[in-house]
Amino acid sequence: GAGVSQSPSNKVTEKGKDVELRCDPISGHTALYWYRQSLGQGLEFLIYFQGNSAPDKSGLPSDRFSAERTGGSVSTLTIQRTQQEDSAVYLCASSLEPTLRYEQYFGPGTRLTVT
Amino acid sequence: GQNIDQPTEMTATEGAIVQINCTYQTSGFNGLFWYQQHAGEAPTFLSYNVLDGLEEKGRFSSFLSRSKGYSYLLLKELQMKDSASYLCAVRDSNYQLIWGAGTKLIIKP
Repeated sequence: GAGVSQSPSNKVTEKGKDVELRCDPISGHTALYWYRQSLGQGLEFLIYFQGNSAPDKSGLPSDRFSAERTGGSVSTLTIQRTQQEDSAVYLCASSLEPTLRYEQYFGPGTRLTVT
Repeated sequence: GQNIDQPTEMTATEGAIVQINCTYQTSGFNGLFWYQQHAGEAPTFLSYNVLDGLEEKGRFSSFLSRSKGYSYLLLKELQMKDSASYLCAVRDSNYQLIWGAGTKLIIKP
């Protein structure tokens, strides 16, 4: 079946604007994760959803970042009043029951550039 | 705090064998994953270890020692396409993945 999809693939925005990033997980995957990856760096965990609830929001860098998930499927990550340090690739991943051995499947990412 | 350590970069020769080490200190342990990430692409799953020992999958093998907080990924018969970053991740007591910064593997002819 289809993998994880993300849109847009690239986004260039001006400092101070709001942006919304979208993730469509693999059908049936209950867990959904957002990560951020700066050039040449490792993955930075942002937020995790189990169903529509987010038991772990500890990775959100500031209150400018928020995320929601509806219908146990699509998720959106919103960044308000973007700053240049928000420039990165934002990766979404999904998996089956996270308490078991199931691995995370990643989407292609959204490359965000704040000018 | 929680910490995953991997070498930043390694170089190996086509056809050879390379071992990428990962040491971890986490709040609990519920499995260790290795992912491969080619430049400009998303990570893809390679292997999973939850019990001590070696898991073999084709040219790739992964080893775990829980008592030592240590794992390695072994790549045999290296090919140019194996040039990528290799990410080690540990699932903690809350079933969250803690990620290492990745090891960039450069394969030379």
